Amino acid sequence: AQSVTQLDSHVSVSEGTPVLLRCNYSSSYSPSLFWYVQHPNKGLQLLLKYTSAATLVKGINGFEAEFKKSETSFHLTKPSAHMSDAAEYFCVVINSNYQLIWGAGTKLIIKP
Amino acid sequence: NAGVTQTPKFQVLKTGQSMTLQCAQDMNHNSMYWYRQDPGMGLRLIYYSASEGTTDKGEVPNGYNVSRLNKREFSLRLESAAPSQTSVYFCASSRLANEQFFGPGTRLTVL
Repeated sequence: AQSVTQLDSHVSVSEGTPVLLRCNYSSSYSPSLFWYVQHPNKGLQLLLKYTSAATLVKGINGFEAEFKKSETSFHLTKPSAHMSDAAEYFCVVINSNYQLIWGAGTKLIIKP
Repeated sequence: NAGVTQTPKFQVLKTGQSMTLQCAQDMNHNSMYWYRQDPGMGLRLIYYSASEGTTDKGEVPNGYNVSRLNKREFSLRLESAAPSQTSVYFCASSRLANEQFFGPGTRLTVL
């Protein structure tokens, strides 16, 4: 069965420093993977998606993620954090029934 | 285009009361979903509808029913609300196996 694990419940970085949000997945086949973002008291927005094309995926707002099959990882990165990046981020995998399986989320805190 | 709309935005119920959450999408998507979001647990799928006329249980269907009224609309009903159903509810739609688009959510409190 497909599953996804976000390794950190909270990540705190200073404004202008790099961001790394970690996600490991479990899948018996080549998965489709997504990162969604949820700003406080807002809905969910797609940041980026991997669907077996290029392993380095670029998303909105300067975020990108790299699919590494050997490590079963799909970590989200950004070179320089901005205050507006403070939000909760979800790693998601599609299962064999085309349902989305969600990670528990990582809260990103940006220090001024 | 409005995308995915949900009503109401907020609701407070007493234990045992019933209510229906409404969802509509204008993107001509075949698939629609209902999720609940609780702190520290990500989103959990309650029910989904892969296409008009079909509905299936997700991870946490107990205490809920759904109706896919037509291609645009997918409603979620709580027949007898319980405090454990206090949550934020999100509706989403997609083309099959593709990214999902979410509504703004309904914050439900059951006293």
